[in-house]
Amino acid sequence: EAGVTQFPSHSVIEKGQTVTLRCDPISGHDNLYWYRRVMGKEIKFLLHFVKESKQDESGMPNNRFLAERTGGTYSTLKVQPAELEDSGVYFCASSQVIYEQFFGPGTRLTVL
Amino acid sequence: QKEVEQNSGPLSVPEGAIASLNCTYSDRGSQSFFWYRQYSGKSPELIMSIYSNGDKEDGRFTAQLNKASQYVSLLIRDSQPSDSATYLCAVPGGGGYQKVTFGIGTKLQVIP
Repeated sequence: EAGVTQFPSHSVIEKGQTVTLRCDPISGHDNLYWYRRVMGKEIKFLLHFVKESKQDESGMPNNRFLAERTGGTYSTLKVQPAELEDSGVYFCASSQVIYEQFFGPGTRLTVL
Repeated sequence: QKEVEQNSGPLSVPEGAIASLNCTYSDRGSQSFFWYRQYSGKSPELIMSIYSNGDKEDGRFTAQLNKASQYVSLLIRDSQPSDSATYLCAVPGGGGYQKVTFGIGTKLQVIP
């Protein structure tokens, strides 16, 4: 069974540019989560999808971040325009059983 | 006060010793607790979950929970160099939401 996959693994962009991160959950997992880890800080929750619906987006930092999950399969997280403080590792996780979340390898975003 | 507190370490133990990793949490209503292991540059991997006061054993790993003291720990017996990783304490959010709050993680180094 394939795990959670994320693309790209690394992204380096200039401040003000746009970046889109993609997450493919484990097949059949209705729940999809985005987390972010800024260097030296804890992994922080961003939002949670149940199928295509946003269940909880309380962790989204501001309106420069837009997450979508069309069709309830893969999800994208767009940052527009990117700022320096957006640098970090963005993790995606999915689950079927409540709380048993499987994490992807992460996308390391560097904003210069 | 942080919601989930851990000593970031590093915690160094000799091979074969018991490694003891500790975590405190602030939400007295929390019911579930998780330990994730994260190798450098890899994704967090769920290794233990505990829901009741007391001990839960799984192989060389034992999770301990004391809700009165708001304290959860992970013991690793017969530590191996392959156990060297960062161990993340995690507590699910309340209100029916599935977001997980992570501690900063304790870096464990097992010295051969």
